[in-house]
Amino acid sequence: RKEVEQDPGPFNVPEGATVAFNCTYSNSASQSFFWYRQDCRKEPKLLMSVYSSGNEDGRFTAQLNRASQYISLLIRDSKLSDSATYLCVVNGRTGGSYIPTFGRGTSLIVHP
Amino acid sequence: EPEVTQTPSHQVTQMGQEVILRCVPISNHLYFYWYRQILGQKVEFLVSFYNNEISEKSEIFDDQFSVERPDGSNFTLKIRSTKLEDSAMYFCASGTQGGTEQFFGPGTRLTVL
Repeated sequence: RKEVEQDPGPFNVPEGATVAFNCTYSNSASQSFFWYRQDCRKEPKLLMSVYSSGNEDGRFTAQLNRASQYISLLIRDSKLSDSATYLCVVNGRTGGSYIPTFGRGTSLIVHP
Repeated sequence: EPEVTQTPSHQVTQMGQEVILRCVPISNHLYFYWYRQILGQKVEFLVSFYNNEISEKSEIFDDQFSVERPDGSNFTLKIRSTKLEDSAMYFCASGTQGGTEQFFGPGTRLTVL
């Protein structure tokens, strides 16, 4: 069974803190990787894609380690508005198409 | 900014009834998806759709489920005979290519009584 595992948290951090989340996946043939954020009872919203070389978007940095089959998300200088659940998504390729698998999400609470 | 829309936002139905959930994907997207999320649980892939046919489906997507793109804009999910356990949030998503970023609609909350 192809799984994506995340620490559910919650991670409870003060404003301005740096926080990191990890996500592990079991399908070694996985092709593409993403982080989404989901606010309570809302739809997932794309945060960033994750590339092999690592990538950064403002305060957010994503890393991929294919050998160890994990991806990470680092959030610097946390804001109150960063409070949400962060979903790791892994696309496994089957023939010519993909099947996305979501992790359960990691809950982040940023407090004043 | 273009967005995925879904209707209705909330659907209440009796067990055994048929429901149709509707989605309008982003206009230049070619790949369409349905997901469900039972309250408190993870987002689960149901089906992907490309070039007017199903690309992939999960084990959840059994004979009770079907998808259709009846015209150039709508993408629908039909559940033929709803069960209590079908109660969930159903999200539609679309993307420009397979395996790339997807953009989600706001969801339809389905409640089966």
